[in-house]
Amino acid sequence: EDQVTQSPEALRLQEGESSSLNCSYTVSGLRGLFWYRQDPGKGPEFLFTLYSAGEEKEKERLKATLTKKESFLHITAPKPEDSATYLCAVQAGYGQNFVFGPGTRLSVLP
Amino acid sequence: DTGVSQNPRHKITKRGQNVTFRCDPISEHNRLYWYRQTLGQGPEFLTYFQNEAQLEKSRLLSDRFSAERPKGSFSTLEIQRTEQGDSAMYLCASSSRPLDRVWYGYTFGSGTRLTVV
Repeated sequence: EDQVTQSPEALRLQEGESSSLNCSYTVSGLRGLFWYRQDPGKGPEFLFTLYSAGEEKEKERLKATLTKKESFLHITAPKPEDSATYLCAVQAGYGQNFVFGPGTRLSVLP
Repeated sequence: DTGVSQNPRHKITKRGQNVTFRCDPISEHNRLYWYRQTLGQGPEFLTYFQNEAQLEKSRLLSDRFSAERPKGSFSTLEIQRTEQGDSAMYLCASSSRPLDRVWYGYTFGSGTRLTVV
């Protein structure tokens, strides 16, 4: 069974304090790994898609990387507006569904 | 393009009642998905439509749940004889067919929060 775990469960950072979020996965036939951001009371918002080990994507203060067993979301010099839950999801096999991890709840304090 | 629209935003119902939610996807998206999310967890897949055809259903989708997408446009998710365990956020998402390997993932709606009392 495909599984996705994320760590830490929650993370508090001071503004400007860089850190990384981890997503570990166990799947058969990875087709893609996705990062989403979710604000309270809203649906997830797409950030990145990664397809193969070694791939990296960047957007503003965020950078996502992928290995054969995990992905990292690096946050450089975060700002309070980066506070949200960050979700990792994988698509595997022939299905169209995503398997999501439980998310990391990030708080950035001014 | 106003994104994926879901109605209602909130629904409170008594145990045993039936409820129906509606999702209007992005107009050019032919793929539509329903997910369920409980507090502190990631979304869990329920079902997937390509145009009007329901092509995948999760084992989570019990007989009390039914989804439709007539004419391949909006979709409805109905829960019959609701139970307290059905309380969750129900999320709808849509996507277009991926071109090559460039796919921007789903676009999610803001969800319908169901509370069963």
